[in-house]
Parts: sequence; structure tokens; C-alpha cells
Amino acid sequence: AQSVTQPDIHITVSEGASLELRCNYSYGATPYLFWYVQSPGQGLQLLLKYFSGDTLVQGIKGFEAEFKRSQSSFNLRKPSVHWSDAAEYFCAVGADNTDKLIFGTGTRLQVFP
Amino acid sequence: KAGVTQTPRYLIKTRGQQVTLSCSPISGHRSVSWYQQTPGQGLQFLFEYFSETQRNKGNFPGRFSGRQFSNSRSEMNVSTLELGDSALYLCASSWLTGDGYTFGSGTRLTVV
Repeated sequence: AQSVTQPDIHITVSEGASLELRCNYSYGATPYLFWYVQSPGQGLQLLLKYFSGDTLVQGIKGFEAEFKRSQSSFNLRKPSVHWSDAAEYFCAVGADNTDKLIFGTGTRLQVFP
Repeated sequence: KAGVTQTPRYLIKTRGQQVTLSCSPISGHRSVSWYQQTPGQGLQFLFEYFSETQRNKGNFPGRFSGRQFSNSRSEMNVSTLELGDSALYLCASSWLTGDGYTFGSGTRLTVV
């Protein structure tokens, strides 16, 4: 069965520091992989997605993620965090021929000035 | 273009009542899915509809149902509400399978 693990529940970084949020997935074939961000009381916004091809994916707001098949990982990175990046981040995996997404438990990012 | 619109934004219901939530997808999107978000269980898949057909269903009791209309608008219904149904219900639409969803802002349901 598909599953997604986000090992870090809460991460705190200083503004301007680099960021890496971890995501590991379990899926038999090549999955569709996504990162979403959620601000308090809001819906989810798609940051980036991976289907195939180049394993380094660029997204919005300066985020990128790298798909590593050997490690079953899809970690999210940003070189310099801004205070407005404080939010909850969700990694998700989707299966072929369906729009059903399996979400990780999320990582709450706190940014200190 | 307009995003995914969910109505109402907030809802308070009494245990035992039923509720209907509405979702209008992005124009041209034919796939609509629903998710329940709670602090304890996180984001859980409820249903997926494509061209008025339910294509996939999550592991929820039969009290949870949904439908999609010919204009792709979707509704979900929860009957005999329980306190544990209190959650943020998110609707999302997509153009192509696997394209990634655009989510609405959600309906916050509180059952008292």
C-alpha cells in the first residue's frame, strides 16, 4: 500500500537560513509526488510536483525538490527562508489513473527573525 | 481564473443532524475530490469524482456520501453527524489525472 512519511513534525529555522523538509514514500511503481503548503485556516497550495524526467523539480516561491528513487525520498528545499514561509508543509503521493492522494502527516515550519 | 470555491466556509451542526457541503471546481476541471482534515488523523481521502462517476472512495462509513453534477460541481453529504465528524473538509479539482490538485479553502464543520 502507498504511504508517505514526514519524519519531522516541527522544524524551526532562522530567516535567511536554508531549509530541507524530508519526505519518504512507499509505492511499487514510479509515483506522482507532490508538495503542498497550508497556512492556518486555509486550503492547500501546490508548491511543486514530480511525474517523471528530471529528478530536480523547481516550484513556486523559490522551492525545489529532488526525487531519489534509491532512497524513496522527495525532499523539499529552499536556499533562504523568509518569514512568510512559516506554514505547514505536506508531502503527498498519487497513483496512476487516480487522483487519490496519500498525504504525510505534515511538517510545521516556524521561522524566527 | 476563479479558484475552487467551497460553501459554506463555516458550519455548526448538532449531533444527529445531516449536512451538505458544496464545491465548485475550476472551470474546465472534471475531476473533483474531497478530503477530511483533522488534527488527529491528518488529511484523509474521502471520494474522487470524474465526469459524474465516483472513481474512488476512501475508508469512511456510509454516512459520508457525495455526488458530482454535469457541470462538475460536487456536493458531499454527511448524515447522522457525530462529534468526531468535526473537521476541515477540503475539496480539490484537477484537469488531468496526476496533474496535481487545486484546493479550495475548505469548509470548517463543527458538530456540537
